[in-house]
Amino acid sequence: ENQVEHSPHFLGPQQGDVASMSCTYSVSRFNNLQWYRQNTGMGPKHLLSMYSAGYEKQKGRLNATLLKNGSSLYITAVQPEDSATYFCAVVGGGFKTIFGAGTRLFVKA
Amino acid sequence: DVKVTQSSRYLVKRTGEKVFLECVQDMDHENMFWYRQDPGLGLRLIYFSYDVKMKEKGDIPEGYSVSREKKERFSLILESASTNQTSMYLCASKGPDNEKLFFGSGTQLSVL
Repeated sequence: ENQVEHSPHFLGPQQGDVASMSCTYSVSRFNNLQWYRQNTGMGPKHLLSMYSAGYEKQKGRLNATLLKNGSSLYITAVQPEDSATYFCAVVGGGFKTIFGAGTRLFVKA
Repeated sequence: DVKVTQSSRYLVKRTGEKVFLECVQDMDHENMFWYRQDPGLGLRLIYFSYDVKMKEKGDIPEGYSVSREKKERFSLILESASTNQTSMYLCASKGPDNEKLFFGSGTQLSVL
């Protein structure tokens, strides 16, 4: 069964800390891995995509790495406005994108 | 930027009613999707469509159907709403080549 698991489920860093989260996946076919951010009351918004193991991507204060069967996402110098739920999603064969349950980030001011 | 619009932000329906959730995208995307989101379960794919009048079942299609008569519009239909279909419903569209998904703001459906 295709699935994506997140760790941790909840993260509560202090403002200015580094927030670290990860996901692991098990899929029959792999095309790419994407990270999304969802603010309360909104739909998820795409952050970045990665395509092969060892791939690293930086976007502002976001740093992501694609591992063999998972991915890590780091947010440096977190701010209260970074508070959101972060989803890892794997694009497999065909048109499907498989999402995990997400990591809920709450930054304490 | 792509805009995906869902017709209702909140809906309250009674058990047994037929429910229509509408979604429109403005970027001429071929692919459109319906997900439901429940706490602790993430987003689960209900149905998707890769072209007009084409549809494919996702992971949890039971109790749902869809319609794609025009490229920009993808409708989710609950034939006979039940309380276990109370959920947040998210529509998304995507261009070719496994690009990113663009989501609407969601419809929070409550079935009483």
